[in-house]
Amino acid sequence: EPEVTQTPSHQVTQMGQEVILRCVPISNHLYFYWYRQILGQKVEFLVSFYNNEISEKSEIFDDQFSVERPDGSNFTLKIRSTKLEDSAMYFCASSEDAGELFFGEGSRLTVL
Amino acid sequence: DQQVKQNSPSLSVQEGRISILNCDYTNSMFDYFLWYKKYPAEGPTFLISISSIKDKNEDGRFTVFLNKSAKHLSLHIVPSQPGDSAVYFCAASLTNLFGNEKLTFGTGTRLTIIP
Repeated sequence: EPEVTQTPSHQVTQMGQEVILRCVPISNHLYFYWYRQILGQKVEFLVSFYNNEISEKSEIFDDQFSVERPDGSNFTLKIRSTKLEDSAMYFCASSEDAGELFFGEGSRLTVL
Repeated sequence: DQQVKQNSPSLSVQEGRISILNCDYTNSMFDYFLWYKKYPAEGPTFLISISSIKDKNEDGRFTVFLNKSAKHLSLHIVPSQPGDSAVYFCAASLTNLFGNEKLTFGTGTRLTIIP
């Protein structure tokens, strides 16, 4: 069964460092998303991406964040200068159309 | 701003009985509702969905009911099985102009099925 894959599964970084989280969405999907879940809190929408551009982003997705689809398969989330409060589980998701989203297993980011 | 609320953080149900998970929302513009199941250290897994034009959708042991006037939906699992123990997230969607969705999640309900 096709699945969304994410790397790394866990990354530990120092505050102020840049982090790139990688995702390989399901191959025939056209819509891509990043969500995050801070420990003990709800899953929050960060950004959606379609046709090589951001279609929607939340207030959380400030100038420190960027997304890119550098080739035909990868979808990346970059955090330019990490803060302590960026520590969370980051989930990539993709969908074929307006319907169910398929989530990856998540990348845990720990900022020290 | 909690647009999607799951007021029960946890629920314990005897194996074989019915599990009922509840969800309330405040934004009447939501047009699609989904339930996701999440095991520890895994991403959310889609379970079942319902469009705002329907009031019930059934898939095997899982049924979702939508009451638009009350802005309430519920997930029924019957019979409950030990493998159903997980955190269940209600999510609501507002399909945007690009045709894709932004999901707004509730805080989740941890379901424990007691053998």
